[in-house]
Amino acid sequence: AQSVTQLDSQVPVFEEAPVELRCNYSSSVSVYLFWYVQYPNQGLQLLLKYLSGSTLVKGINGFEAEFNKSQTSFHLRKPSVHISDTAEYFCAVTPNTGGFKTIFGAGTRLFVKA
Amino acid sequence: DVKVTQSSRYLVKRTGEKVFLECVQDMDHENMFWYRQDPGLGLRLIYFSYDVKMKEKGDIPEGYSVSREKKERFSLILESASTNQTSMYLCASSLTGRFGNTIYFGEGSWLTVV
Repeated sequence: AQSVTQLDSQVPVFEEAPVELRCNYSSSVSVYLFWYVQYPNQGLQLLLKYLSGSTLVKGINGFEAEFNKSQTSFHLRKPSVHISDTAEYFCAVTPNTGGFKTIFGAGTRLFVKA
Repeated sequence: DVKVTQSSRYLVKRTGEKVFLECVQDMDHENMFWYRQDPGLGLRLIYFSYDVKMKEKGDIPEGYSVSREKKERFSLILESASTNQTSMYLCASSLTGRFGNTIYFGEGSWLTVV
């Protein structure tokens, strides 16, 4: 079984400051890792994903994430945030053995202040 | 552009009513999902379907049923709505569950049961 823990429920940050949203997971098998973003009153959309290869993954809107297998983490970062980045961010894992079960974290709400 | 469309964005229903939430995808995806989203709980899987007329229970199927008569359409049914089913419901779809495929979400349906 898999589980995902997003360590911060809310992260307030000033515009143009850097941000890191933390995600840890546990799994008995290898997994694929995802970050999704949900803007107000919308569904989720993919920000980036790690399947294999380079552990640093770049996504849309200037976000990137680093897979750390030894620490079972997949933290999301952006060097300079904008007001428009205000949204809820979900970390998710899917076992790479196939199947349909994607496990989502509880979400981190990012507030970007002017 | 890929599209998952949920027929109703906002619904208010009375306790005991039968409620239908409809979802259509235009990407020819095999898999379709219904999630429930509540604050602090993230996304919880209600049901998923990997083919026409095929369905599997997710984590919280009690009080819900689903129907998939056509590949592009997946319906969620609340047989007798209760106030604890007040929530945001998200429909989603993806290609076959292997290889870390992206999940595509609809914009969500806000259901209030009074």
